[in-house]
Amino acid sequence: GDSVTQMEGPVTLSEEAFLTINCTYTATGYPSLFWYVQYPGEGLQLLLKATKADDKGSNKGFEATYRKETTSFHLEKGSVQVSDSAVYFCALSGGSNYKLTFGKGTLLTVNP
Amino acid sequence: ETGVTQSPTHLIKTRGQQVTLRCSSQSGHNTVSWYQQALGQGPQFIFQYYREEENGRGNFPPRFSGLQFPNYSSELNVNALELDDSALYLCASRLFGGASGYTFGSGTRLTVV
Repeated sequence: GDSVTQMEGPVTLSEEAFLTINCTYTATGYPSLFWYVQYPGEGLQLLLKATKADDKGSNKGFEATYRKETTSFHLEKGSVQVSDSAVYFCALSGGSNYKLTFGKGTLLTVNP
Repeated sequence: ETGVTQSPTHLIKTRGQQVTLRCSSQSGHNTVSWYQQALGQGPQFIFQYYREEENGRGNFPPRFSGLQFPNYSSELNVNALELDDSALYLCASRLFGGASGYTFGSGTRLTVV
């Protein structure tokens, strides 16, 4: 079945550092790929998405490129801020009902 | 446009009891999904409803059941609660066939004691 493996945390960075959170997936067909963010005590917010190979999703300075050859969708940001502290989930959507399959999440803490 | 709203926000139940969680979909969305998020884990797909019919189900036992109403609001029912059912339950809605993806609610935190 479908699965998502993402880098285990926690990840702790200083403000303005470069961020990479690795994500690889296993799926049949051609899934859509997503990054969601969850702030403490809240639900999930869509951060960015890509629907086909070589697409780049971007939002709020975050980027991820859909790499079919390496089945990866790594999240990057050039300069993190304290407000980026949250849990980040990589997910894929595929199949007839487009259900989301999530990774286990990566806790990011950014210190001033 | 309104987002996805869930109620209640927190709930404490005793093992063996039954619980009903509620969700109002985002305006214009006709598909609703429910997810269970255990502490420190990613959300797990429970099931999805479209046009009041279940059209997908994850690896959850039959004591997890749901309903979708004509106004696209939804309920998740869990019978015979177990301690392991303690989790954050998330509702997500979308427009079937649309490209906008899912909108999630803030969740209901269920604690089974």
